Amino acid sequence: AQSVSQHNHHVILSEAASLELGCNYSYGGTVNLFWYVQYPGQHLQLLLKYFSGDPLVKGIKGFEAEFIKSKFSFNLRKPSVQWSDTAEYFCAVKGSTLGRLYFGRGTQLTVWP
Amino acid sequence: ETGVTQTPRHLVMGMTNKKSLKCEQHLGHNAMYWYKQSAKKPLELMFVYNFKEQTENNSVPSRFSPECPNSSHLFLHLHTLQPEDSALYLCASSQDTGSDTEAFFGQGTRLTVV
Repeated sequence: AQSVSQHNHHVILSEAASLELGCNYSYGGTVNLFWYVQYPGQHLQLLLKYFSGDPLVKGIKGFEAEFIKSKFSFNLRKPSVQWSDTAEYFCAVKGSTLGRLYFGRGTQLTVWP
Repeated sequence: ETGVTQTPRHLVMGMTNKKSLKCEQHLGHNAMYWYKQSAKKPLELMFVYNFKEQTENNSVPSRFSPECPNSSHLFLHLHTLQPEDSALYLCASSQDTGSDTEAFFGQGTRLTVV
């Protein structure tokens, strides 16, 4: 069965610290990968996505993610977080032969000013 | 604004009530979805509609009944729910159900069953 694992459930950082959120998936075929963010009281919105090409993907607000096929990973990074990055982050995977999105449990990021 | 609007934003209902959740998208998309978001659990896909036809029912109990009258509207009819059904119900849409299409989400309906 397909699954998505996010290893960190709650991450607490100070402003300007670097961020890396882990995401691993299990799926045997070609995948499309997504990171969504949910700011407090707001809807889920797309942060970045990988379909093909350069495995290092840049998204909005200075976030980037790297697809490492051999490790089945798609970790999210940001070199210097801000207080406004406080939110819940969700990794999601879509298999090439399946239309559904599989989500991880989410990681709550709290950034202290 | 995402182009996906859900109403109501909050709903409290008794176990014997019947209520409906509404979702409307203004993006011209052909696929719509219902997800359930419970605390400390991954988002659970409930139903998928593509061009108004239900293409997936993820073993959802019959007390949840979806309806998709057209590609822009999606309903979730609720009856005789249980307290464990309390959760955030999210609607999403995408161009179609292809693997290379991203989903756009509404703000959700926070449902409490008492």
